[in-house]
Amino acid sequence: AQSVAQPEDQVNVAEGNPLTVKCTYSVSGNPYLFWYVQYPNRGLQFLLKYITGDNLVKGSYGFEAEFNKSQTSFHLKKPSALVSDSALYFCAVRDGAAGNKLTFGGGTRVLVKP
Amino acid sequence: NAGVMQNPRHLVRRRGQEARLRCSPMKGHSHVYWYRQLPEEGLKFMVYLQKENIIDESGMPKERFSAEFPKEGPSILRIQQVVRGDSAAYFCASSQGQTSTDTQYFGPGTRLTVL
Repeated sequence: AQSVAQPEDQVNVAEGNPLTVKCTYSVSGNPYLFWYVQYPNRGLQFLLKYITGDNLVKGSYGFEAEFNKSQTSFHLKKPSALVSDSALYFCAVRDGAAGNKLTFGGGTRVLVKP
Repeated sequence: NAGVMQNPRHLVRRRGQEARLRCSPMKGHSHVYWYRQLPEEGLKFMVYLQKENIIDESGMPKERFSAEFPKEGPSILRIQQVVRGDSAAYFCASSQGQTSTDTQYFGPGTRLTVL
C-alpha cells in the first residue's frame, strides 16, 4: 500500500523568506512523486514531479523539491516566498508497482505574510 | 489549448436525487481519473478509465456510484440516490499515457451539495 504524510497542517512564512513544505511517503515499489497547488475554489495545478535521475527537481513558479530516498522524503522548497504563494499544497505519490492512481497527503496550507 | 473541463462547477441536489458529473479530458488525453475531496481533506482516488473501459475502480463506493468513459463524449460520474455524505468536491484528471510517470492534469472540479 502507498501512503503520503504531510506533517504540517499550516506553514506561516514572511514574504521574501525561504519556504519549505514537508512530505514523506511510503511505497513498496519505485516512488513517483508529485506536488500540486490548489487555490481557493480551484482545481489542482501541477508544480513538479520526480521520476528518476537528479534528486533536485525544478518546477513551476520558482518551486523545487528534493527527493531523499533514505529519508523517504520529497520536501517542496522556494528560496523566496511571495504573498501570491499562499495556497493549499498537496504532495502525491504513485507506486510504480501498483497502478496509476495517485495517493495524496492531507495538504499543507501556506500563508505568506507581507 | 483547453485544459480539463468539468461541468457543472456547482451542483445542488436533494437527498434521493441523482447527480451526473461530466469531465472532458485535455486534447490528446485518453486516460481519465476521478477523485473526491471531502472538506478539509486531501483527494481520494475513486476510479481510472480509458475509452470504453474501467481500468481501476478500487476507490469507488460499492453502491450508488458508477462511472463511464464512452467512445464519444465526456466521462460521466453518476451518483444515484445521493445522501448528505456525498457532499464534496469531485475532481477529474486526465493523462496522455498510461505509464506511472505520466502527469495527471486536473480540472476545476464539481462541488456537489446535497440538501
